[in-house]
Amino acid sequence: DGGITQSPKYLFRKEGQNVTLSCEQNLNHDAMYWYRQDPGQGLRLIYYSQIVNDFQKGDIAEGYSVSREKKESFPLTVTSAQKNPTAFYLCASSIDSVDRGYETQYFGPGTRLLVL
Amino acid sequence: AQSVTQLDSHVSVSEGTPVLLRCNYSSSYSPSLFWYVQHPNKGLQLLLKYTSAATLVKGINGFEAEFKKSETSFHLTKPSAHMSDAAEYFCVVSDLNRADMRFGAGTRLTVKP
Repeated sequence: DGGITQSPKYLFRKEGQNVTLSCEQNLNHDAMYWYRQDPGQGLRLIYYSQIVNDFQKGDIAEGYSVSREKKESFPLTVTSAQKNPTAFYLCASSIDSVDRGYETQYFGPGTRLLVL
Repeated sequence: AQSVTQLDSHVSVSEGTPVLLRCNYSSSYSPSLFWYVQHPNKGLQLLLKYTSAATLVKGINGFEAEFKKSETSFHLTKPSAHMSDAAEYFCVVSDLNRADMRFGAGTRLTVKP
């Protein structure tokens, strides 16, 4: 059963704490992405990775970090430097097609992060 | 750089009446355009996409969108709304060979009985 999984569904962060959101895909997709969604706003790109061991900053990377040690995994760490982390976080993946560029992005179910 | 504007933050229709969700885009190159739907507390599901083939694109659940280059628009339509269509809809633009996509702010569709 192919798809993208995100865990946990809900995550609580204490002041000054780092937390890590998991994203796993078994679609054999090359590229993976992290987005943040705030109420009444569209998705904003945090980080993306086009290939293993490489990743690029998106529009709002400050206060976040990522790693891409395996093709199927792209965890996101929300650090204590992120002062307003409460949001819905969405992970996505896509194929990198040589002749057609980047294909459709497929999304996981999301993780809601709340600050205690 | 590419960008997208969804012209209505909220659209309300009665069940059985047509749906029109408006989207205008800006892109330096030949764009790929998408519509996604999001139900509350869920991830995004692809409705349809345009990638320089036919300008009228048919998607799932009876939705379709027409690419109009002269108007830089990609409006989403459905002839007859169903209660289950109530959700948030996002218009998205992506330039060829770019990994990142640009999302509109979203349009919340309400369907009244």
